[in-house]
Amino acid sequence: NAGVTQTPKFQVLKTGQSMTLQCAQDMNHEYMSWYRQDPGMGLRLIHYSVGAGITDQGEVPNGYNVSRSTTEDFPLRLLSAAPSQTSVYFCASSQFTGTAYGYTFGSGTRLTVV
Amino acid sequence: ILNVEQSPQSLHVQEGDSTNFTCSFPSSNFYALHWYRWETAKSPEALFVMTLNGDEKKKGRISATLNTKEGYSYLYIKGSQPEDSATYLCARNTGNQFYFGTGTSLTVIP
Repeated sequence: NAGVTQTPKFQVLKTGQSMTLQCAQDMNHEYMSWYRQDPGMGLRLIHYSVGAGITDQGEVPNGYNVSRSTTEDFPLRLLSAAPSQTSVYFCASSQFTGTAYGYTFGSGTRLTVV
Repeated sequence: ILNVEQSPQSLHVQEGDSTNFTCSFPSSNFYALHWYRWETAKSPEALFVMTLNGDEKKKGRISATLNTKEGYSYLYIKGSQPEDSATYLCARNTGNQFYFGTGTSLTVIP
C-alpha cells in the first residue's frame, strides 16, 4: 500500500515554463487536494477535488490548474511559472470529504522558480 | 485567509516534562478540528480528528481536547521524549476546505 505518491521530489523551473506535479493515491480516497507550504505561513489550499470529474478552488488557486479524470490521480499544473510559486507542494487525500477523516499526505515536491 | 492560530510558535522542553500547546480558531461554521504531527523531512501525519464540543482524544502519551464554543483546542504531551520532537499542526475544517495553523515546533532535549 503506497499511500499518496508525489513526483517529482525536486524541480527547478525557469520563469515562464510550465510543468505538472503528479499525485496518485491507491487508497480509493474520494477527496484529494493540493497545498503549498511557505515559510511563516500555514499550509494553504490551492485546489481540491471531492471525486472524479469534480474540482474546486481553494485559498490560493491563481496560476494553477487541476483535473481529476480518475479517482487515483490529481495532477497540479503550473501554467507559466513565476518566482512567487517557489514553494513546497503537498498533495493530500482523505477517505471522504473532509470532516471526520484525517488527511494522508504525500512526501512533497520542492519547487524552485528562477 | 489564515484564521487558525497556534501558540507558542516554538517550545523547548526537557525529556520527561509534560507540555501543552494551543490551537485557536473561529467558532463559526465549524465541522472538525484536526491535529497533525510533522517530523522534519517527512510528511504530516494525522493524530486526531475531533468534531464535537468537549471531545477528548488520546493516543499513547498524547491527548487533545476541543472547545468549539470558545474556539480552541489543546494538545497535551505527557512525559515528553526526544522522539516527540516535531511540528504539531492543527487545521480547522469548514466542510470541503481546511485551514491550517503555522504549527508549534517542539524540541525535546535529552
